[in-house]
Amino acid sequence: ILNVEQSPQSLHVQEGDSTNFTCSFPSSNFYALHWYRWETVKSPEALFVMTLNGDEKKKGRISATLNTKEGYSYLYIKGSQPEDSATYLCALGGDGGSNYKLTFGKGTLLTVNP
Amino acid sequence: EPEVTQTPSHQVTQMGQEVILRCVPISNHLYFYWYRQILGQKVEFLVSFYNNEISEKSEIFDDQFSVERPDGSNFTLKIRSTKLEDSAMYFCASRPLWESKNIQYFGAGTRLSVL
Repeated sequence: ILNVEQSPQSLHVQEGDSTNFTCSFPSSNFYALHWYRWETVKSPEALFVMTLNGDEKKKGRISATLNTKEGYSYLYIKGSQPEDSATYLCALGGDGGSNYKLTFGKGTLLTVNP
Repeated sequence: EPEVTQTPSHQVTQMGQEVILRCVPISNHLYFYWYRQILGQKVEFLVSFYNNEISEKSEIFDDQFSVERPDGSNFTLKIRSTKLEDSAMYFCASRPLWESKNIQYFGAGTRLSVL
């Protein structure tokens, strides 16, 4: 059974601050690690998918890394903006077959104050 | 841009009533999922559906739950006799047959409140 923990649960930062949060998992028995961004009343939006130890992905000011040997992924936001305020969800995906279900963490709620 | 749509956005029902939550997945997608998030808890997998049948279901998905793809566009989740503990945000997701990154595309959810 996969287990996913995210920390912190919530985070308040000032506009312009850089920040990061963690997704940790005791077992690396998964196919891919997914990061989603979820603003309330909108659909969770896929940010990154990483499969290999050492993977790094970047989209604008947001980047993510994966360390399967030590069991964590970091999400970084450089120069936070109010529009970055959202819940960031980490999920582990299964074996890539038709039963590819996602196992989620509780998420990190980020609030960026102007 | 194609998106997964869910209706209604909020459903209020009395305990013991049947509810049907509706989803229209992205049109060329072939894998369909339901997840739910009870307030304050993790998003949990309920069921996956492929080729007109359930491919996997979780322990939560008991006999009170069923899914159906009644036509070529809709994917529904039915709860036969709702309980208070069924109150949650229910998410539908879909993905295409060939998606190298296995990304699932989510709807905005239906918030179910059981009174």
